[in-house]
Amino acid sequence: GAVVSQHPSRVICKSGTSVKIECRSLDFQATTMFWYRQFPKQSLMLMATSNEGSKATYEQGVEKDKFLINHASLTLSTLTVTSAHPEDSSFYICSGSVVGYNEQFFGPGTRLTVL
Amino acid sequence: EDQVTQSPEALRLQEGESSSLNCSYTVSGLRGLFWYRQDPGKGPEFLFTLYSAGEEKEKERLKATLTKKESFLHITAPKPEDSATYLCAVQVANDYKLSFGAGTTVTVRA
Repeated sequence: GAVVSQHPSRVICKSGTSVKIECRSLDFQATTMFWYRQFPKQSLMLMATSNEGSKATYEQGVEKDKFLINHASLTLSTLTVTSAHPEDSSFYICSGSVVGYNEQFFGPGTRLTVL
Repeated sequence: EDQVTQSPEALRLQEGESSSLNCSYTVSGLRGLFWYRQDPGKGPEFLFTLYSAGEEKEKERLKATLTKKESFLHITAPKPEDSATYLCAVQVANDYKLSFGAGTTVTVRA
């Protein structure tokens, strides 16, 4: 149980374009979803927290107009990187949790490369 | 500010050579401490949650313990398939966010 999928697993795009990453909870309803970014040899850094049907809460230093998060249903959240630049190249990972439970279950990650 | 520090940064073990990883934390009101395993290019895999000092949890060759200041992940008689980065994370009261340590990369040689 507690399986989270992400799509795509890898994406390469040109500078200035937008990229959408999907995060789905396959066998549970994720009342809260989290988006993380991980640079090589570094740990996970939380970008934002989203609750179904509400606006996302962004961590300090994360541009909400650049990283658009939508949590339209209890099984789907999307992260759109707008006007991507090479410095946005990273490993993006989502996680989901259920109200009343503290554990987060992570997706497999999406490798974004901006040329 | 909440802090999570993991040591060592890297650990090389011979198959069968038991060892421990450390996670020390400074938080205001711990809700829970979590251990995850991460393989290269993949998302973290949940291992354990510990809530109170003195608590211990086991899974196969792994055993996690918790004190008021730190947690240990003991690997008993490791096998090459235990090679991974082990991440520690804390969650504070009234907040469901996780703050991660930098991780310990374990390499087990056959």
